[in-house]
Amino acid sequence: GESVGLHLPTLSVQEGDNSIINCAYSNSASDYFIWYKQESGKGPQFIIDIRSNMDKRQGQRVTVLLNKTVKHLSLQIAATQPGDSAVYFCAERTPSNRDDKIIFGKGTRLHILP
Amino acid sequence: EPEVTQTPSHQVTQMGQEVILRCVPISNHLYFYWYRQILGQKVEFLVSFYNNEISEKSEIFDDQFSVERPDGSNFTLKIRSTKLEDSAMYFCASKGQGGSEAFFGQGTRLTVV
Repeated sequence: GESVGLHLPTLSVQEGDNSIINCAYSNSASDYFIWYKQESGKGPQFIIDIRSNMDKRQGQRVTVLLNKTVKHLSLQIAATQPGDSAVYFCAERTPSNRDDKIIFGKGTRLHILP
Repeated sequence: EPEVTQTPSHQVTQMGQEVILRCVPISNHLYFYWYRQILGQKVEFLVSFYNNEISEKSEIFDDQFSVERPDGSNFTLKIRSTKLEDSAMYFCASKGQGGSEAFFGQGTRLTVV
């Protein structure tokens, strides 16, 4: 079954406002989480990651929050810009000596309103 | 900046034909993956490859699929007899030893007619 998913398929945000994209995961053994951005016709692009021993990590204009108690992951984008329009996927990795594969969630399409 | 490259960018094939999708992973990476994304849906894991063998494969990766690393640089996905439902974007990814992040190529759009 699916172990990573998202709450909303589409999110519309006014340009300049902050965006929050949420994700729920079900595999408590996962030790690493990643947010990917996918623009139309392109491959997933790494945005930010977080390990399970952390609850917050900040990048440039992006912050990822991890709540292991409720198995919840969020991506916050500050001062959303038109270039942020894309589909955002959360992904998880479960420790393995074999392949370290990443499993993707369903994706949230972020629309930026002018 | 090193990147994963995939060719062709778009492949149209007739149902029942064989296709080979090609990928050149980042040169010092050791883990290789193929993923599939049907239009408008999520990215689905197909197969992982490490130490010259398949380390894991999903239910999607049936006997019609195979992967190969024929030389030190290429990583290929072969679909022996394509079906209409194989139409999708196929992404190759690679990861280094001890690294966390998997880097994705731009994908090959496969259209089966």
